[in-house]
Amino acid sequence: KNEVEQSPQNLTAQEGEFITINCSYSVGISALHWLQQHPGGGIVSLFMLSSGKKKHGRLIATINIQEKHSSLHITASHPRDSAVYICAVSNYQLIWGAGTKLIIKP
Amino acid sequence: DAGVIQSPRHEVTEMGQEVTLRCKPISGHNSLFWYRQTMMRGLELLIYFNNNVPIDDSGMPEDRFSAKMPNASFSTLKIQPSEPRDSAVYFCASSRDIHSNYGYTFGSGTRLTVV
Repeated sequence: KNEVEQSPQNLTAQEGEFITINCSYSVGISALHWLQQHPGGGIVSLFMLSSGKKKHGRLIATINIQEKHSSLHITASHPRDSAVYICAVSNYQLIWGAGTKLIIKP
Repeated sequence: DAGVIQSPRHEVTEMGQEVTLRCKPISGHNSLFWYRQTMMRGLELLIYFNNNVPIDDSGMPEDRFSAKMPNASFSTLKIQPSEPRDSAVYFCASSRDIHSNYGYTFGSGTRLTVV
């Protein structure tokens, strides 16, 4: 079993839809990270969480430490949100989830 | 700050040649990480440094791979001799501390093709 599990693996939605990507982990962590990788390949750090909830624009990330679960939400999704979203947890290094490929259709 | 700078962006080389990838971390970041990304294996941590000292190189696949960080502003990842299975995107990332409590900043990556 992988230490970091993401779901779904692939997600296609229409523009404007509310998107949720889930991440569960089985190890002790100091923080959880959500990252975004666009088709061009660059990786961008979206959030780092150790508790509660964070919001940047249309992106919201939550974490439940007791349940070892985090969610990334995108409100009013747009085609430019199309990317791979990666959950990673850190102790002394990052342990990566497999990523969720999101496609938003106009 | 210009962010984490990697060079070259693309490298195509012949099997058996030496390849050197370069990384300049963000000034003031004490930890530096080298990752490799392939379709088959996703993102893999190769090695990380803290205060220029290699802490864990257990992810380095073979003796053909070596990494150095001679000072706080520069690191190299070398493959000698290169093989086609080394083809991948290599990312460098830096953070303020080894526990990544302040998040990571990634470079744009180097796409390596070994033919």
